[in-house]
Amino acid sequence: KAGVTQTPRYLIKTRGQQVTLSCSPISGHRSVSWYQQTPGQGLQFLFEYFSETQRNKGNFPGRFSGRQFSNSRSEMNVSTLELGDSALYLCASSPSPGQGAGEQFFGPGTRLTVL
Amino acid sequence: AQSVTQLGSHVSVSEGALVLLRCNYSSSVPPYLFWYVQYPNQGLQLLLKYTTGATLVKGINGFEAEFKKSETSFHLTKPSAHMSDAAEYFCAVAKTGGYNKLIFGAGTRLAVHP
Repeated sequence: KAGVTQTPRYLIKTRGQQVTLSCSPISGHRSVSWYQQTPGQGLQFLFEYFSETQRNKGNFPGRFSGRQFSNSRSEMNVSTLELGDSALYLCASSPSPGQGAGEQFFGPGTRLTVL
Repeated sequence: AQSVTQLGSHVSVSEGALVLLRCNYSSSVPPYLFWYVQYPNQGLQLLLKYTTGATLVKGINGFEAEFKKSETSFHLTKPSAHMSDAAEYFCAVAKTGGYNKLIFGAGTRLAVHP
């Protein structure tokens, strides 16, 4: 099975712009989660989607949003970029259908640099 | 609220020596606990996880961890370090009923010297 893929792998934007990142989960996985990784804050949970519905959300401002499509692919969008949004954005997919935390499979990440 | 504390942001061991990476958690409900490894420029890979049952959990690459409820700990060990073990290790907790939301520790960078 192919792993989790994320596109693009690297992205450079300027302050005030918006950006959309894409994640394709492992085939058959219906849960997709997003995490932000920075040297200062570490790994922080952004949100989780399951069957096109957001069922979990972290403590990020409304500039961060996401969605999931019927084929389980997910996108996250960041509007009005700030310098502090520079980070590695990781997507993870899981086959877990229930409330228990299942094994999550991570993609290689998208490295976003905001200038 | 749940949280994870990893003691020691950097750990250095000699090849063949014991690896011990420490993780303590706080959770108001029985947690699910995980250890992930991250190699440079890569995503995270699951080493092992504890959900219920046996408190000693064996993972990939010879790693294991023991869930100790009384100490709220989930330390990661490996009897003999290899050069290829050099990476960053993250302990994470998830809440029962919290779906797939992981709370990560700050990470421990493991260096292995010949």
